[in-house]
Amino acid sequence: GAGVSQSPRYKVAKRGQDVALRCDPISGHVSLFWYQQALGQGPEFLTYFQNEAQLDKSGLPSDRFFAERPEGSVSTLKIQRTQQEDSAVYLCASSYGTSNTEAFFGQGTRLTVV
Amino acid sequence: KQEVTQIPAALSVPEGENLVLNCSFTDSAIYNLQWFRQDPGKGLTSLLLIQSSQREQTSGRLNASLDKSSGRSTLYIAASQPGDSATYLCAVHLFNTDKLIFGTGTRLQVFP
Repeated sequence: GAGVSQSPRYKVAKRGQDVALRCDPISGHVSLFWYQQALGQGPEFLTYFQNEAQLDKSGLPSDRFFAERPEGSVSTLKIQRTQQEDSAVYLCASSYGTSNTEAFFGQGTRLTVV
Repeated sequence: KQEVTQIPAALSVPEGENLVLNCSFTDSAIYNLQWFRQDPGKGLTSLLLIQSSQREQTSGRLNASLDKSSGRSTLYIAASQPGDSATYLCAVHLFNTDKLIFGTGTRLQVFP
């Protein structure tokens, strides 16, 4: 596709429910990132993939958060047993190369846990 | 730990003014610095990318400068328009890592 695509755009989950957020990066982009953005704040890094390898997951806030990119393209961020503090916008970004190339972001998924 | 600060947090100006948005960072070991625009309820749109070896980049009415040694970048917007109203975020790409570290943004409103 022309840009990074994320789905769903909005998700309301009851506390304790599991959710899965999808990211479809720009075709051919090697690097894929997940960020979490709380209201009024800048995005914060969650995890990074280079092709199918998850090279950095230091930003995942707890073991309830899990991300995968099994074929080096589409990625899924899964949150188990959602809590109210998980409410945020989850942004996905991709870039063509590694380290030094421009990152392009999707529209984000707004997660509200009630 | 790298910290990125943006000043001012919010700015409201009449149409036509030239603007300067500031970004500072504490660790100069960066690959590059990127400026983004974020409209309400939307994702981030990349505006300009400055490599660590560069001093500035220009795109249309936008000009971004980078002074790595002092840990500063500025985004200059010429002849502002109401359509420029958005939140502007700067982010540094840390050397030897893969993550962008973001500031909290400057919320800009340009009124007619």
